Amino acid sequence: DQQVKQNSPSLSVQEGRISILNCDYTNSMFDYFLWYKKYPAEGPTFLISISSIKDKNEDGRFTVFLNKSAKHLSLHIVPSQPGDSAVYFCAAGGTSYGKLTFGQGTILTVHP
Amino acid sequence: EAQVTQNPRYLITVTGKKLTVTCSQNMNHEYMSWYRQDPGLGLRQIYYSMNVEVTDKGDVPEGYKVSRKEKRNFPLILESPSPNQTSLYFCASSSYNSPLHFGNGTRLTVT
Repeated sequence: DQQVKQNSPSLSVQEGRISILNCDYTNSMFDYFLWYKKYPAEGPTFLISISSIKDKNEDGRFTVFLNKSAKHLSLHIVPSQPGDSAVYFCAAGGTSYGKLTFGQGTILTVHP
Repeated sequence: EAQVTQNPRYLITVTGKKLTVTCSQNMNHEYMSWYRQDPGLGLRQIYYSMNVEVTDKGDVPEGYKVSRKEKRNFPLILESPSPNQTSLYFCASSSYNSPLHFGNGTRLTVT
């Protein structure tokens, strides 16, 4: 039972345009959400997070939106750069500290 | 430099031969965890530890063992590896209410 789903295995975007990565979850007990970025031959690195009491969190070019009623979150990257090309994982956590559940990942390719 | 170090980075072994993947962190983090990454399945949690001598099962613990005798180390043990444990493994650590910090991964092949 996949509690966190990223339904788009890949996304291709032109440099300078917006990248939108989506994530859906089913467990209403999740109360914080994170995005991680992963380059080949490296471990995932933390990008941005949001708690369930907020609907938006912004950090430079990266913004995460949370729609609790739809159980949906998205990551917006504006403007996209070739160095953003990576695998992006969304993750969700609940009251059991440390138990992060990850999605399948989306491969983002930003073309120059 | 703050880091999570896994060894080895690559490992090829045969079915049934016990192996250990080591994980060490230098950030004095209380929490450590092991994940495996498989195509189409993302990252799935194997085991985690909230502190020394405290471990608990994640989503896919079958066939794995862990121990947490010291705060900095969290080895992953495969007593009798099987081909379905061929995967990319990540160790991670964090302090309470902070994001996970991952190691660079161990690619394991079991033939």
